[in-house]
Amino acid sequence: AQSVTQPDIHITVSEGASLELRCNYSYGATPYLFWYVQSPGQGLQLLLKYFSGDTLVQGIKGFEAEFKRSQSSFNLRKPSVHWSDAAEYFCAVGARTGANNLFFGTGTRLTVIP
Amino acid sequence: GEEVAQTPKHLVRGEGQKAKLYCAPIKGHSYVFWYQQVLKNEFKFLISFQNENVFDETGMPKERFSAKCLPNSPCSLEIQATKLEDSAVYFCASSTGRIAINEQFFGPGTRLTVL
Repeated sequence: AQSVTQPDIHITVSEGASLELRCNYSYGATPYLFWYVQSPGQGLQLLLKYFSGDTLVQGIKGFEAEFKRSQSSFNLRKPSVHWSDAAEYFCAVGARTGANNLFFGTGTRLTVIP
Repeated sequence: GEEVAQTPKHLVRGEGQKAKLYCAPIKGHSYVFWYQQVLKNEFKFLISFQNENVFDETGMPKERFSAKCLPNSPCSLEIQATKLEDSAVYFCASSTGRIAINEQFFGPGTRLTVL
């Protein structure tokens, strides 16, 4: 069965510091991989996605993520966090064939301190 | 429209009452998905449509939940006889294609509170 694990429930970083949010998945084959951000009271916004090819993908708002097949991981990174990055971040996987719904991790809440 | 629209934003129901939520997908998107976010973080897939046809309903609680996507109308998710555990934020998403490679655009959600 598919599963997505985000081990960190809550992370606090200082503004300007670097950030890495962890995501591990369990899937029968390499799935499509996504990171979404959810600001308070808002829906989900896609930050970036991995389908194939270069394992380092660039997204919006200065985020990037690296797919590591050997570790079944897709960690999200940002070199310098801004206060506006405070939000909930969700990693998700989608099947390459068959069902097209997404499976989400339980999210990581990011707090940014001045 | 250019965004997925969901109404109402908030819905409060007494236990046992009916709740109906609406979703207008982005124009031109033929796939609609409903997700339930409980306990603040856990997203659960409920059902998806291809136009007006149910595509995947493996996540739907069969007894009290139903959903429709009729031509020229917003899609709807209806819960008969709501229970306390139905309290959640319900998100609708739409996309242009069938498999997950096609980006799903999410609406702002409807917060359902069952008292």
